[in-house]
Amino acid sequence: SQQGEEDPQALSIQEGENATMNCSYKTSINNLQWYRQNSGRGLVHLILIRSNEREKHSGRLRVTLDTSKKSSSLLITASRAADTASYFCATDAGSARQLTFGSGTQLTVLP
Amino acid sequence: DAGVIQSPRHEVTEMGQEVTLRCKPISGHNSLFWYRQTMMRGLELLIYFNNNVPIDDSGMPEDRFSAKMPNASFSTLKIQPSEPRDSAVYFCASSTDGIYGYTFGSGTRLTVV
Repeated sequence: SQQGEEDPQALSIQEGENATMNCSYKTSINNLQWYRQNSGRGLVHLILIRSNEREKHSGRLRVTLDTSKKSSSLLITASRAADTASYFCATDAGSARQLTFGSGTQLTVLP
Repeated sequence: DAGVIQSPRHEVTEMGQEVTLRCKPISGHNSLFWYRQTMMRGLELLIYFNNNVPIDDSGMPEDRFSAKMPNASFSTLKIQPSEPRDSAVYFCASSTDGIYGYTFGSGTRLTVV
């Protein structure tokens, strides 16, 4: 079963614009992670935010976490065509150290 | 490090045949995960090993699926007999205690005809 659900399912923007993707989940978590998947490739870990953190930055990425709303957002600033990919949130919940992935957001950055 | 290595990259087989997928995790990672990805169901966790021991195999769809991890550097996922509905991309991932980010392999695209 999928713990996280991303919104929107698809997003198309122009190069240079910012892209925001949202993730909602259902249960309490230890941490939430974001991954990128290019077409035909495996997933690549982007960033991890712990349940006691509210915001985290990594390069052009900014992740926020609101545990009261059980939601997270991923912001990619100054997007590039190379950012075109599917983006997944994944939650690590409970004592089981395994990730449950959402359904993903397909981001297309037009040159 | 070469990352998580999966083989084969592509596999086409006939219904009823046995299929074995292979994975070499990153050296030093003690957790290994097998996922299946389809358009309909997204990414599904099949089984999870910690220190070579299967911890949770509740995601294995049927008895036709089995997985082993004989040592810290090798794991297999076997489907016997295979069926067309098993067609999917199968990913192996490894991590340190499953706490930090996972490193995924490039996947095996399985087509059962």
